[in-house]
Amino acid sequence: QKEVEQNSGPLSVPEGAIASLNCTYSDRGSQSFFWYRQYSGKSPELIMSIYSNGDKEDGRFTAQLNKASQYVSLLIRDSQPSDSATYLCAVKPPRAGGTSYGKLTFGQGTILTVHP
Amino acid sequence: GAGVSQSPSNKVTEKGKDVELRCDPISGHTALYWYRQSLGQGLEFLIYFQGNSAPDKSGLPSDRFSAERTGGSVSTLTIQRTQQEDSAVYLCASSSTPLYEQYFGPGTRLTVT
Repeated sequence: QKEVEQNSGPLSVPEGAIASLNCTYSDRGSQSFFWYRQYSGKSPELIMSIYSNGDKEDGRFTAQLNKASQYVSLLIRDSQPSDSATYLCAVKPPRAGGTSYGKLTFGQGTILTVHP
Repeated sequence: GAGVSQSPSNKVTEKGKDVELRCDPISGHTALYWYRQSLGQGLEFLIYFQGNSAPDKSGLPSDRFSAERTGGSVSTLTIQRTQQEDSAVYLCASSSTPLYEQYFGPGTRLTVT
């Protein structure tokens, strides 16, 4: 089982619709969860972080976290063609051996296409 | 303020040569990370520095890879005797603390011919 799993897509939605991106993770003790957007040929850009169960909204983006189900999602409302990109889910695993464990584990990414 | 910077942006090298990649983190960020992204692959963790602590080298794929961070700021990733499978985009990220958000630089695209 992969540590962080995402549907690779592509996910295609019409302009103005809601895009729903999903991610599951295997390590129940994971602490922090992030969504990055990556345009082709560019580096990942942080768009959302979430640390506790529930919803977190920022503009057109809403991140949802359910630690019991080991599930995190990203909703993009009023999708625009400029939202077309690969969306990466990243998870910070729990501390190991009492040391700070800073690395992120990334999913393979979901390709989102928003068509006019 | 300035983001994470990396140099060079592109590097083409011959198989067997050594290369050095540089990362300058966001000012004041104590944590610095190196990742690698190969064509069609996900982001792979390489190494992590936090303050003056010993680095977490658990992601380095072989002993040809090494990294250092001088003065708690700039970091250099060195790949010795490069191989074609080392061709990838090498990404550096930094964060204010290990718990919080990581911000990526633009990356260095390494091509080994």
